[in-house]
Formats: sequence, structure tokens, C-alpha cells
Amino acid sequence: QQQVKQSPQSLIVQKGGISIINCAYENTAFDYFPWYQQFPGKGPALLIAIRPDVSEKKEGRFTISFNKSAKQFSLHIMDSQPGDSATYFCRSRGGSEKLVFGKGTKLTVNP
Amino acid sequence: DGGITQSPKYLFRKEGQNVTLSCEQNLNHDAMYWYRQDPGQGLRLIYYSQIVNDFQKGDIAEGYSVSREKKESFPLTVTSAQKNPTAFYLCASSMLLNTEAFFGQGTRLTVV
Repeated sequence: QQQVKQSPQSLIVQKGGISIINCAYENTAFDYFPWYQQFPGKGPALLIAIRPDVSEKKEGRFTISFNKSAKQFSLHIMDSQPGDSATYFCRSRGGSEKLVFGKGTKLTVNP
Repeated sequence: DGGITQSPKYLFRKEGQNVTLSCEQNLNHDAMYWYRQDPGQGLRLIYYSQIVNDFQKGDIAEGYSVSREKKESFPLTVTSAQKNPTAFYLCASSMLLNTEAFFGQGTRLTVV
């Protein structure tokens, strides 16, 4: 049972470009929409998160856009850098108490 | 420092052996989770626990077992019944469902 669908599976951008990753969720009871960043061999770490009372949140080069009617939220990375190369996961809530994650997007930023 | 600690970082298992992965947190979180990550794959939920002495199966619980005798600890045992245990295992904890989940640095298990 998939509670959250993430796309694309992989993404290659040039340095300075914009990276966009999308996440579609099913559980409308969810009220916390985070993105996690994972580097190889490490555990994921929270990058940025949004609550549904706002449509957009920006932290530095990272922006979350939230569309409640479409049940989607997106991560935008402006001025992408090689150091942003990582795997990104969105998260939702599955069933009563489960945390479920998207399948991940491997981002590669070429110098 | 507050955080979540997994040990060991690398673990090797022989065929037919049970092995236990440790996960300890000092964040005073009620909920703890175990995920499995295969190369190029997402995070698949193995088991989760919302309270001491209680836990539920996730999506891929077969061949695994857990215990939650203390709030701070949630060890995962990979049993010989798990036919393909080689993977990266991640433990996480959170206060509530709608707050940040913190991850450990993972344990890489290899069958030799």
C-alpha cells in the first residue's frame, strides 16, 4: 500500500540550475509535510518541512510548495550546487501510526 | 548531545545466524521505527513502536523481530528466516506523527 508517490526517481541538473521534486500523498489527515536529505552511507536528515496552513516555505535555496487541493507538495532547490547531490525523500503517514516515505529521488548536480 | 545511536556501523552475518542491531535514543521520543534500505531503493518499514512493550509489524516484517522493553531502546533481530538480509538498516524516532523524525547513522549488514 503506497501512501506517497514521489517523482522523478532520478534527476540530473547543471550547477546553478533549479531542481524540482514532487510528492503526491493520499492521507488527508496528515498535517506535516517534510523533505529529508540523505547522503551515501548516512541516515536521512530533515531538510525542510511545511504545515498546511501556508502554501510555501523558503529556507535559503530550498523551497517547499504545498497544494492542498491537489494533495501534492514539491521541493525546489534554487541555484543547485554539487554539494546538493544526494537522495531526497518526502514523507507521509500510513495507516494509524506508520511513517511512510516516498521511494526517493537521486539528485546529481554536475559542476 | 541528544540523538539516536545505532550500532554497530558494519555487521557481518553467516548463513543461518541471528544478529541483533542496536538502536538507542535519548530524545525522550515515544515512537521508534526500523527501516530497511536496499541500493537505489526507498525506505521500507520493518517494525514500529509507539509505546514501551508494544510494537506493530510494518510492510516487510517477515524474518525480523523486535522488542521495546525500555523507552530508549528498540533493538532489531534479523533471524535466519530472513533469506536476503544484506541491506542498510535505519532506526528512527519521533515525538509525534506530525513532527520531525530523527534517524540514526545506520547499520550495514552483509551476509558472508
